[in-house]
Formats: sequence, C-alpha cells, structure tokens
Amino acid sequence: DGGITQSPKYLFRKEGQNVTLSCEQNLNHDAMYWYRQDPGQGLRLIYYSQIVNDFQKGDIAEGYSVSREKKESFPLTVTSAQKNPTAFYLCASTHVPQVGPRNEQFFGPGTRLTVL
Amino acid sequence: AQSVAQPEDQVNVAEGNPLTVKCTYSVSGNPYLFWYVQYPNRGLQFLLKYITGDNLVKGSYGFEAEFNKSQTSFHLKKPSALVSDSALYFCAVRDRGSTLGRLYFGRGTQLTVWP
Repeated sequence: DGGITQSPKYLFRKEGQNVTLSCEQNLNHDAMYWYRQDPGQGLRLIYYSQIVNDFQKGDIAEGYSVSREKKESFPLTVTSAQKNPTAFYLCASTHVPQVGPRNEQFFGPGTRLTVL
Repeated sequence: AQSVAQPEDQVNVAEGNPLTVKCTYSVSGNPYLFWYVQYPNRGLQFLLKYITGDNLVKGSYGFEAEFNKSQTSFHLKKPSALVSDSALYFCAVRDRGSTLGRLYFGRGTQLTVWP
C-alpha cells in the first residue's frame, strides 16, 4: 500500500520545546516538501528537498529545520524559535523524471500542531 | 514572480447546479497548473492538471478545468454539483522552466453544495 504517512496526527507542545514531525513515503519519490497551512492563507512552503542530503529553504523557513538522510524520510523540527507554530503541517512528495515535466505532488494526511 | 489568485473565499451552489471555482495565475514563463481538493483535517487530493495540449482538462469525480492563456486563468468546473463536493479547493501553479519543481498555491476556495 503505497503512500505518504505523517505522524503523529495531533501533537501538543509546550512553549519553548522543540518537536519533530515525521514524514515517510514509500513511493520512491526523489523530491519532498513541507508546507504549513493556516486558515485563509493557503499552503506556504517551509522547506523542500530534491535529493538525499540536500534541501532548500522555502518561503517561511525561520524557526524550522529539516534533514534528508534517507530518500524515504523528511522529518521537520519545529524549534522554540518559531514564534507562532500552531498550524496544520503537510508533507508532500513527487517523482523527478530524467526527462519531461514532474508529475503532481502527493500529500500526506497532515499533522495538527498545537502549542499550549 | 509566481503567484496564484483565487478571488472567491467561498462559493455556494445548489445540488445539481453547475459550479465554477475561479483561479488566475502569474508566472514568469509557461505554466503547469493543478487543482487539489481538501476535506476537513485531511491532506490534499489531486484532482487534475494542465501540462500541455488540449485546453480543457478532465479530472477526477467529474471535475474539469479550462486553461485560458490570454486570461491567465484555470477555472475549475463541474456540470452538476453534489453535496459530497463540499470541500476546500486549491489551485496551484509551477513555472515550466523551473528546475526546482516547487508549487505556488492559492489561498483556497471553500465550496459548499447545499441540498
């Protein structure tokens, strides 16, 4: 059963704590992405990675960090430096073909992070 | 700069009536265009895409979209709405010339289909 899994589904954090959101895919996709979703703001790109051991900042990377040690995994750490971390976080992936356009991005079910 | 505008935060339509969810875009080159749907507390599901060829694209669940280059639009349409179509819809664009592959999303349009 192929797809993208994110865990946990719900996460509660106290102010000042770092938390790590998991994203795993078994689609053999090269590129992976993290988005943040807030009501009325659509999806904003946090980080993305096109290949193992390489990643780039998106539009709102401050207060977040990522790693890409394995093709299947792209965990996101929300650090205490992120001022307003309460949001819905979505992970996505896509295949990168040798020739031709990339296909659509596939999304995981999301993690809802709440800071108490 | 790449951007997507969905001018309507909400669209309300009666079941059985046609629906349109609007999207306009701005890219520096030629676009790849996508529509996604999101149900509450779920991830995004792919509906359809325009890559090249026929300007009218057919997708999942009876949805279609028309690419209009002169108006830089990619409106989502369905001839007969269902209550189960009620969800949040996102339009996204990618620059054809970009090697990074990142998508730019609109803010979303909440579609409500009432019985």
